[in-house]
Amino acid sequence: GENVEQHPSTLSVQEGDSAVIKCTYSDSASNYFPWYKQELGKRPQLIIDIRSNVGEKKDQRIAVTLNKTAKHFSLHITETQPEDSAVYFCAARGGANNLFFGTGTRLTVIP
Amino acid sequence: GAVVSQHPSRVICKSGTSVKIECRSLDFQATTMFWYRQFPKQSLMLMATSNEGSKATYEQGVEKDKFLINHASLTLSTLTVTSAHPEDSSFYICSARENRGNQPQHFGDGTRLSIL
Repeated sequence: GENVEQHPSTLSVQEGDSAVIKCTYSDSASNYFPWYKQELGKRPQLIIDIRSNVGEKKDQRIAVTLNKTAKHFSLHITETQPEDSAVYFCAARGGANNLFFGTGTRLTVIP
Repeated sequence: GAVVSQHPSRVICKSGTSVKIECRSLDFQATTMFWYRQFPKQSLMLMATSNEGSKATYEQGVEKDKFLINHASLTLSTLTVTSAHPEDSSFYICSARENRGNQPQHFGDGTRLSIL
């Protein structure tokens, strides 16, 4: 099955700086890569996703890049704000239609 | 937008009790729903894929007789934790995806299960 690895596990940035989280996947058949933000005790919220026919996607301060050849994708958050502090999960979905999640990154934005 | 409703949100019960968790897609039909378990400070681990009208597909290491899944309609899947023990205490989250096209996956609010 799919194996998704995510780095770093924790990330602290100053307010206004950028944050980058990276993920790799193993199944070349995976074609959908969402990113979720999860606050403590709450449901994961989809913040952005990218499909395998696209290399980059941007939504305001959030962007995701995908390198299918290398099988890695990244989340970029610019101009970080304290409310961006949360745990972020990458995920990959392939032929089995199941979502497999990375191990999560705890992002702390320091005011 | 797509909404997934899950309840109960919190269950505290004695060891040996069976607990049923419901997951509903409120404004869309979902042939397939997914059940995840999340331990504190860990990622979401897929337990099983629930298929409407057929048997669920369980991930390796997940006991199908322990975690009973019923997907009786296109909008409802249930997970029953049978004879729950303290080690079953966890955050259980369901997820569903619209049948049409390649749609995103939406999550319920989760159920925090505590077995005493």
